[in-house]
Amino acid sequence: AQSVTQLDSHVSVSEGTPVLLRCNYSSSYSPSLFWYVQHPNKGLQLLLKYTSAATLVKGINGFEAEFKKSETSFHLTKPSAHMSDAAEYFCVVSAESGTDKLIFGTGTRLQVFP
Amino acid sequence: NAGVMQNPRHLVRRRGQEARLRCSPMKGHSHVYWYRQLPEEGLKFMVYLQKENIIDESGMPKERFSAEFPKEGPSILRIQQVVRGDSAAYFCASSEQGLKTQYFGPGTRLLVL
Repeated sequence: AQSVTQLDSHVSVSEGTPVLLRCNYSSSYSPSLFWYVQHPNKGLQLLLKYTSAATLVKGINGFEAEFKKSETSFHLTKPSAHMSDAAEYFCVVSAESGTDKLIFGTGTRLQVFP
Repeated sequence: NAGVMQNPRHLVRRRGQEARLRCSPMKGHSHVYWYRQLPEEGLKFMVYLQKENIIDESGMPKERFSAEFPKEGPSILRIQQVVRGDSAAYFCASSEQGLKTQYFGPGTRLLVL
């Protein structure tokens, strides 16, 4: 069965420093992987997605993620954090090949300090 | 192009009442998905519908929960005889067709007293 593990429940960084949010996945096939962001009391916004094209995926707001099959990882990075990046981030994998069901990680809460 | 719309945004019900949550997909989208987010947890898939069809309801509780997506109008998630454990945020997503990116609405936050 497919699953995702977000290794950190909380990450704190200073404004202007790099962001790294870690995600490992388990899949019996070549998965589709996503990162979504959720600001407080808001819906989810798609940051980026990987669907077996380029392994380095660029998303919105300066975020990117690299698909590493050998490490079964899909970590999210940003070179320089901004205060507005403070939110909950979810790593997501498609449940099965050919289905639309998404499986969400438990989330990483990013805090950005001035 | 308006995004996915959900209403109400907040809903308070007493135990035993019914809750009806509505979702209007993005224009041109005919696929709707419902997810539930319990406090401090990630989203859990509940059901996937196309117009007038339930495609996958493997995440729906066996009792009290039902969903529909009629030919006209929004998708409805209905919870009968609510209990405190139903308190959660319920998110709807839509896509233009299967296996395409899902776009999420702002959610309905249900509180059962």
